Amino acid sequence: GAGVSQSPRYKVAKRGQDVALRCDPISGHVSLFWYQQALGQGPEFLTYFQNEAQLDKSGLPSDRFFAERPEGSVSTLKIQRTQQEDSAVYLCASSFMISRGTEAFFGQGTRLTVV
Amino acid sequence: AQTVTQSQPEMSVQEAETVTLSCTYDTSESNYYLFWYKQPPSRQMILVIRQEAYKQQNATENRFSVNFQKAAKSFSLKISDSQLGDTAMYFCAFYSAQGGSEKLVFGKGMKLTVNP
Repeated sequence: GAGVSQSPRYKVAKRGQDVALRCDPISGHVSLFWYQQALGQGPEFLTYFQNEAQLDKSGLPSDRFFAERPEGSVSTLKIQRTQQEDSAVYLCASSFMISRGTEAFFGQGTRLTVV
Repeated sequence: AQTVTQSQPEMSVQEAETVTLSCTYDTSESNYYLFWYKQPPSRQMILVIRQEAYKQQNATENRFSVNFQKAAKSFSLKISDSQLGDTAMYFCAFYSAQGGSEKLVFGKGMKLTVNP
């Protein structure tokens, strides 16, 4: 595709429900990042993949958060037993190794509201 | 751990004026990259400008330029001839790659409003 695609754009979940957020990176991009962005705040790092390997998951706030990228392309961020504090915009970014002179391209995010 | 600090939460400027957004960062690494991203209300994060730490020359991109002070760990963004379309949240970001892994860390952002 032309850019990073995230779906759904909006998700309303009842507290305790499980959700899955999808990220389709730009084809061929090696690196994939997930961020959580609260209203009026900067993106907070959640996790990083290099191809299918999850090299850094230090930002995942609890064991209710799980991310995967099984074939090194599409990634899914799963949140189990959602809580109100999980309400935020979840951003996905992909790049072909920023250190080689490229940039990280972002999707439009998924706005999750837990009620 | 790397940290990025944007101390001005909000600024406003008149159209056609010049405005400077400040950013400081903390790292022990010598090789890294710095970015300014713009996020309009549509939420799409857009790259404004990038700076490689090993380059002494400040990056410029049309109306956007940076003042990179490596020793002071300061990375400010200057927007010249401000336009209404520049109204957005602006984020300073730090990037490094070590041991085959990458890290991209953002500041809390600054809301810029350009007034007609």
